Amino acid sequence: DQQVKQNSPSLSVQEGRISILNCDYTNSMFDYFLWYKKYPAEGPTFLISISSIKDKNEDGRFTVFLNKSAKHLSLHIVPSQPGDSAVYFCAASEYSGNTPLVFGKGTRLSVIA
Amino acid sequence: KAGVTQTPRYLIKTRGQQVTLSCSPISGHRSVSWYQQTPGQGLQFLFEYFSETQRNKGNFPGRFSGRQFSNSRSEMNVSTLELGDSALYLCASSGRGGRSYEQYFGPGTRLTVT
Repeated sequence: DQQVKQNSPSLSVQEGRISILNCDYTNSMFDYFLWYKKYPAEGPTFLISISSIKDKNEDGRFTVFLNKSAKHLSLHIVPSQPGDSAVYFCAASEYSGNTPLVFGKGTRLSVIA
Repeated sequence: KAGVTQTPRYLIKTRGQQVTLSCSPISGHRSVSWYQQTPGQGLQFLFEYFSETQRNKGNFPGRFSGRQFSNSRSEMNVSTLELGDSALYLCASSGRGGRSYEQYFGPGTRLTVT
């Protein structure tokens, strides 16, 4: 049973517009949520995280929103750039540092110039 | 600060052989986790080591094992390789303190079993 789901396998966005990547989870014990970006033949690169006590976290062009009641989080990228084209993974952890990350299957973002 | 390094980057082995992969974490990080990435299953957790002790283990057969050394470097070993073990093996390290849930990944080792 998938605990972390990314229901959109792919997304295409025009350069300069907003990219919104979505993630749903089923385990109410998850306390921390992370987004990673991955290029082919490379390891995932950490982008941004959020703890369950917050509903929003921003870092430059990246903002993550968390809706605990809906068990849903989203990553907003504004403005989208061609270099953002990659696979984005959502991940969750039950509590700090002591449990493994559970990953979604990823969403491939294509930013079109 | 240097990132997580993994060696080798690419490996081709034959069914039945065994393989050892190596990971050096970010300096100061004591936790090292291993993940397997395949097209069908995505990123799946193998095991985590902290201070030379296995702290967590995923749902993989006993052919997959690992260890961690006193300098936090880690190795994972796969014995009796099967075709299905072909995957990208990723190592990640994390530090201490409030952001210890943030894991930083190496470039991975691409293992092909023929």
